Amino acid sequence: DAGVIQSPRHEVTEMGQEVTLRCKPISGHDYLFWYRQTMMRGLELLIYFNNNVPIDDSGMPEDRFSAKMPNASFSTLKIQPSEPRDSAVYFCASNSLGGRGGYTFGSGTRLTVV
Amino acid sequence: QQPVQSPQAVILREGEDAVINCSSSKALYSVHWYRQKHGEAPVFLMILLKGGEQKGHDKISASFNEKKQQSSLYLTASQLSYSGTYFCGTEQGAQKLVFGQGTRLTINP
Repeated sequence: DAGVIQSPRHEVTEMGQEVTLRCKPISGHDYLFWYRQTMMRGLELLIYFNNNVPIDDSGMPEDRFSAKMPNASFSTLKIQPSEPRDSAVYFCASNSLGGRGGYTFGSGTRLTVV
Repeated sequence: QQPVQSPQAVILREGEDAVINCSSSKALYSVHWYRQKHGEAPVFLMILLKGGEQKGHDKISASFNEKKQQSSLYLTASQLSYSGTYFCGTEQGAQKLVFGQGTRLTINP
């Protein structure tokens, strides 16, 4: 298995632009998570899905952030409009309730908003 | 609520031991431990599911005291490859992990 795949690896964008981050979870994993990591706030859970359905989006910072999971093999996190304070590393992770092997994280997307 | 890790940073010489603690103000049902190297994603180390459970992998082990709402990670005879930031994650809702702020471990030769 190729693991959790995220794209792009790096994104530099100007303030006000729309940014879309993408994630492909491990096949067979029914949970998908989006985390944001910064030096100040550490690893923050933004939203997570179970069987493509959003379960908890209480960590989404504001309405500028949205996430979708149209099918079991694809999810997006969108920021519109982007702001400099959104600069962070965004990780996607997946897991399976049936397995107790912990989360598998993708390589992350480093977002820089200038 | 975010679990609290201590210490925030540790510097060791190769071969020395370290203990990293994780505590929560909420009841714990399980605790995960992850290691993240600089510029990389967190990597799963182990999960502890039961009160008083201990698990180990090579020279890294962990304990989980459900009553005290605490978990500890033990690294014995540390190796250079153990360097990184260690995170505990506590389960707060089905499969929902909230991570501590991390403990940075530096191993010097």
